[in-house]
Amino acid sequence: GQQVMQIPQYQHVQEGEDFTTYCNSSTTLSNIQWYKQRPGGHPVFLIQLVKSGEVKKQKRLTFQFGEAKKNSSLHITATQTTDVGTYFCAGLAGNMLTFGGGTRLMVKP
Amino acid sequence: SQTIHQWPATLVQPVGSPLSLECTVEGTSNPNLYWYRQAAGRGLQLLFYSIGIGQISSEVPQNLSASRPQDRQFILSSKKLLLSDSGFYLCAWTRGERGTDTQYFGPGTRLTVL
Repeated sequence: GQQVMQIPQYQHVQEGEDFTTYCNSSTTLSNIQWYKQRPGGHPVFLIQLVKSGEVKKQKRLTFQFGEAKKNSSLHITATQTTDVGTYFCAGLAGNMLTFGGGTRLMVKP
Repeated sequence: SQTIHQWPATLVQPVGSPLSLECTVEGTSNPNLYWYRQAAGRGLQLLFYSIGIGQISSEVPQNLSASRPQDRQFILSSKKLLLSDSGFYLCAWTRGERGTDTQYFGPGTRLTVL
């Protein structure tokens, strides 16, 4: 079946450093979504990418969808303590939406 | 605006006891509804989804069941809880088909089975 892998599983950064999480699918995706879950909270939708090679930005966050539509990345520039949480990707193939395992980001002030 | 409610927020239950978690959505009609489970520090596992009243699809075999008695109500149940049922249970809804539309998650229920 479809598998969506995220790396790294955990990441500690110093405040102000950059952070990147990668999402890789075993199958070609129709689209990919990204969610953020704060500690103790529920996942909140961030963005959806649909087109091959698409790049979208939200302030310090940059999302990319690979040319082959099998991978994606989320890059945060100059992390802040408010960025703490777990970031999930979710890839759609056929009618199956599969979530990655998430990357937990911890930021040291 | 649309809101999604879940209760209870936390629950501690003994092994072998029954379970009933409720999810309701306000401000929309004919939503697609989903139950996910998240083990501590892990990703999201889809348990059930529903595209309409009485229509339930199960993604994984387990001792849980789901029902949708009303358009905006989704219930997760078990007759006898197992230790492995502990986790964070999240209800979500979408307007459109899963994956093509934003998933809106409820606040979740933290279940501990002792």
